[in-house]
Amino acid sequence: DAKTTQPNSMESNEEEPVHLPCNHSTISGTDYIHWYRQLPSQGPEYVIHGLTSNVNNRMASLAIAEDRKSSTLILHRATLRDAAVYYCILGVNSGGSNYKLTFGKGTLLTVNP
Amino acid sequence: ETGVTQTPRHLVMGMTNKKSLKCEQHLGHNAMYWYKQSAKKPLELMFVYNFKEQTENNSVPSRFSPECPNSSHLFLHLHTLQPEDSALYLCASSQDRGSAVANEQFFGPGTRLTVL
Repeated sequence: DAKTTQPNSMESNEEEPVHLPCNHSTISGTDYIHWYRQLPSQGPEYVIHGLTSNVNNRMASLAIAEDRKSSTLILHRATLRDAAVYYCILGVNSGGSNYKLTFGKGTLLTVNP
Repeated sequence: ETGVTQTPRHLVMGMTNKKSLKCEQHLGHNAMYWYKQSAKKPLELMFVYNFKEQTENNSVPSRFSPECPNSSHLFLHLHTLQPEDSALYLCASSQDRGSAVANEQFFGPGTRLTVL
C-alpha cells in the first residue's frame, strides 16, 4: 500500500494557522492525496483532496510540493472544534472500479484556548 | 435522517451470541464499506460493496459476515466473536469506487462493540 508519514501529534493555539505536514515519497503519478479528520467519538470526515495543484475549500487548504513527495494541510484559523486526528492518505486505483484509501495513524492535533 | 446512520451505537455481547450491526446511507451512493478501529491502531478496511457486489474482503475471519441487500443498506452479522474483536466498527459510503472524486467517503458514527 502507498505509504504516508505524519507526525504523531501537534499543538496549536486557537485562532492561529496550523500547518500539518505529510510525506509521501513513494507517490506515483496517478495517486491522489486525501485528508480526512476524526473528531473525538465520531467517524472520520473528508477534509480535502488534490493531485498536483494546490486546493482550497471552506474547511482547509492543501499545498502540494512540486515533486508531489510531500503536502501540507493548512487550517487558516484553528478553533477548538478542529481538535482531531488528521489523516493524510494516498488514494490508489488498483484497476477498474477499485479506488482504495488506506488510513494510517494520523496526527493528533491539540488546539489550546 | 441524513448522511450515514449506524445502529446500535453501543453493543455488548458474549462470545456465544449472534448479533447484527446495521448501516444505512441516505446519500444515493453505490459503494459501502465496513471498517474496524481498534484502540491505538489505524482504521482497517474489512469489506467493500460496490453496486451491491462484494469487491473486497481483507482476510476477515468468517465470524464476521457482511450482507448488502441494496445500495442503501449494509449489515455486519456477528457470531462467536472473541474479546479481541472489541472495537469501533465504522460504516462508510461513497458515490462509487471508480475515481478519487467518486470515492470521497462519508462515515457513520460507528458502533462501539464490546465482546465479553
